[in-house]
Amino acid sequence: QSALTQPASVSGSPGQSITISCTGTSSDVGSYNLVSWYQRHPGKAPKVMIYEVSKRPSGVSNRFSGSKSGNTASLTISGLQAEDEADYYCCSYARSLTPAWVFGGGTQLTVL
Amino acid sequence: QLQLQESGPGLVQPSETLSLTCTVSGGSISISSYYWGWIRQPPGKRLEWIGTIYYRGNTYYNPSLKSRVTISVDTSKNQFSLKLTSVSAADTALYYCARHGIHTNNWFDPWGQGTLVTISS
Repeated sequence: QSALTQPASVSGSPGQSITISCTGTSSDVGSYNLVSWYQRHPGKAPKVMIYEVSKRPSGVSNRFSGSKSGNTASLTISGLQAEDEADYYCCSYARSLTPAWVFGGGTQLTVL
Repeated sequence: QLQLQESGPGLVQPSETLSLTCTVSGGSISISSYYWGWIRQPPGKRLEWIGTIYYRGNTYYNPSLKSRVTISVDTSKNQFSLKLTSVSAADTALYYCARHGIHTNNWFDPWGQGTLVTISS
């Protein structure tokens, strides 16, 4: 299993939009529409923000959106707010002989 | 509201066995289509899926850890557990448990708060 590649950090000003990329391979991101994104504030449990590439769980702001092209998935946060400052992780299903999951290295979002 | 809580020793000696338990509350662990997983994050490193169990006992493990990992379930206590043998400093990490699906609901939600396990003598 190969890990997913994310930028270490991104930043934006309140009200702006940012996009976090998540690059995998044809064995994970490229093969399945099973990419999910997680937000983690310091000391808190990760929270799912996007699942199945672009679906939002109930209660998650529509400022969060996801997409995928080839082996790269993306998370876009529009109308940045101070509360969005957190670490974001992508995850993809990556079945080989048996089910498996791979995560990205995480992206620290700073709201300037 | 489903909640998960990890528990276990925060300090383990090198070469010993790390043992953690995840207690599920607010719902049954014996629910169709949902699986129960362990994920960890060493300091400064990425999240890593360790393994997964279904309430009937079916298990799937990360190939990189498979030789040292055992995950079990106790449906009577609504708990599942992780054992990692022959630990070293590289196993120092924040360990999480989470619910997820495979054929449906293939994402991790909810997660426990996480428990820090340090491997040191």
